[in-house]
Amino acid sequence: EVHLVESGGGLVQPGGSLRLACAGSGFTPSDYWMNWVRQAPGKGLEWVANIDEGGRTKNYVDSVKGRFTISRDNAKNSLFLEMNSLRGEDTAVYHCVRSVLGEGAYWGQGVLVTVSS
Amino acid sequence: QSALTQPASVSGSPGQSITISCAGTSSDVGSYDLVSWYQHYPGKVPKLMIYGVTKRPSGVSDRFSGSKSGNTASLTISGLQPEDETDYYCCSQTSSGTVVFGGGTKLTVL
Repeated sequence: EVHLVESGGGLVQPGGSLRLACAGSGFTPSDYWMNWVRQAPGKGLEWVANIDEGGRTKNYVDSVKGRFTISRDNAKNSLFLEMNSLRGEDTAVYHCVRSVLGEGAYWGQGVLVTVSS
Repeated sequence: QSALTQPASVSGSPGQSITISCAGTSSDVGSYDLVSWYQHYPGKVPKLMIYGVTKRPSGVSDRFSGSKSGNTASLTISGLQPEDETDYYCCSQTSSGTVVFGGGTKLTVL
């Protein structure tokens, strides 16, 4: 059975940093693109970043380019999101998502990131 | 990276059919057969209902169907049921390698 479990969320001041982690199990990570998708309070779903099966190709939504870095460790079936220079508008529940567009799509429960002074 | 355009809300009576549109551009919806639809109950994890424009994952009711014409994709729900009342999101691959979601549509079953 597939499992994705996010960790690393919490309260951080504007300008601060956080590192989110996603631990996967029940599937071969090198078979899938992985994504981070967020949902701000009262707002819709927003795709944040993705990374290809081997970790070479990475894409980001414009609003996080230069501030967020996605990475993965297939040996540990883990996905990461390094978030720097955090802003209030980054406050959201962040979901780790396997293959967001395909039949194999699978979402983690999400982790809350709150950016506030 | 503009969000895909969905109606904020749609409504229908039990047993009726409704269609939710998802308007994109030639750089996303119009260029790829990589459009998916999610059903999302607040506080729950989004559920994949349609992928590849028209394909249904195993276990999804055949009351849900997808289509695409030009730069606009659509989700049709036939035989509306009360439990269909929730939020629906489309998403698409883009030519720059990113993914873009629609703003979401709230379905009300009258």
